[in-house]
Amino acid sequence: QVQLQESGPGLVKPSETLSLTCTVSGGSITSDYWNWIRQPPGKGLEWIGNIYYSGSTKFNPSLKSRVTISLDTSKNQFSLTLSSVTAADTAVYYCGRSRYGSGSYGYYGMDVWGQGTTVIVSS
Amino acid sequence: DIQMTQSPSSLSASVGDRVTITCRASQSIRNYLNWYQQKPGKAPKLLIYAASSLQSGVPSRFSGSGSGTDFTLTISSLQPEDFASYYCQQSYSTPLTFGGGTKVEIK
Repeated sequence: QVQLQESGPGLVKPSETLSLTCTVSGGSITSDYWNWIRQPPGKGLEWIGNIYYSGSTKFNPSLKSRVTISLDTSKNQFSLTLSSVTAADTAVYYCGRSRYGSGSYGYYGMDVWGQGTTVIVSS
Repeated sequence: DIQMTQSPSSLSASVGDRVTITCRASQSIRNYLNWYQQKPGKAPKLLIYAASSLQSGVPSRFSGSGSGTDFTLTISSLQPEDFASYYCQQSYSTPLTFGGGTKVEIK
């Protein structure tokens, strides 16, 4: 059974870069799509972007200029970097798996999620 | 971006009640619609994919319907463990977008 676990600093200073890693266990990262989603305190969910095992990426245009998503198949991990952070980037960050179907990388939903990691942007 | 609008934003219901949550897309998304349940402090859990397909392991009291722009999530008989927030999400186009959520509270 595939499990995901986010890791990374819980506190980032304004204008610096947020870096998180999601470790995949119980399965291989060399299939499916691997997503990042965030949730500001008391608010709804926002999709950040995803990566396919081939290295192909998709991003939310609202964040695209600041986001990088990469894959390390040797470690079965994928990572998120978000540059020039502000207080508005304070959120719980989740990683999630989705599967391709009917022309969409999200057709079958995000069926496996990490537990989430809280990132606070503050000096 | 496709905007997803959920209603109501919150509701109060009793155990055993039938509950319906509505999600409307700003344009047709065919059946590219997923539903999630989220409890406080926990990650979202996939309930329904492709508008009406029940995710493995999810109780049959949950059901989804709709296509095009209008969708519903129904809980046929609300159970104590169903008090949570519910989100719809479209997978028709990038970026994936979520509805604002519906909080189901105990009456």
